[in-house]
Amino acid sequence: DAGVIQSPRHEVTEMGQEVTLRCKPISGHNSLFWYRQTMMRGLELLIYFNNNVPIDDSGMPEDRFSAKMPNASFSTLKIQPSEPRDSAVYFCASSWDGNTEAFFGQGTRLTVV
Amino acid sequence: KQEVTQIPAALSVPEGENLVLNCSFTDSAIYNLQWFRQDPGKGLTSLLLIQSSQREQTSGRLNASLDKSSGRSTLYIAASQPGDSATYLCAVKFRNFVFGPGTRLSVLP
Repeated sequence: DAGVIQSPRHEVTEMGQEVTLRCKPISGHNSLFWYRQTMMRGLELLIYFNNNVPIDDSGMPEDRFSAKMPNASFSTLKIQPSEPRDSAVYFCASSWDGNTEAFFGQGTRLTVV
Repeated sequence: KQEVTQIPAALSVPEGENLVLNCSFTDSAIYNLQWFRQDPGKGLTSLLLIQSSQREQTSGRLNASLDKSSGRSTLYIAASQPGDSATYLCAVKFRNFVFGPGTRLSVLP
């Protein structure tokens, strides 16, 4: 397996634009996590899916953020409209279930100017 | 509030030394604890996972211990090498994973 795959690796966008980040979890994993990493706040959990269903989205900062998982092999994190303070590295991770070893993708570095 | 702290924030050691990284957490009701390394500009690489019922896990030169009652975990790295230089992150699974701020390790040749 190629591991957790995220795209794009880098994204630069202007304030106000819509941004969509994509994630393909490891095949067979039932849990998927979206994290955001910044220098100031470290790694923060945004949302957690289990069997394609959002279980905990309490970390989603505000209504501008939304996440979907239409099937077991694909998830998106969308920011609309984007703001400069959204600039961060966004990681996707998956695990067999929510209590087993989590594997991370390489991340998407988002810059909003 | 469930928090995870890591000490020290940064550590610099000469090659060959054995070293210990520390992780503390505020709530003993955990499912598991996972140690990661992160290289600059890269994702996180899983090193070891310790379930709440376990006391330690070993992988090669790495040994992680868990003491739930005191809210502590340590990552022991034996015979450190320059390639071990990275940031080491501890993640504790409460209801969800909570990450510590990391320890930035530099192993000098």
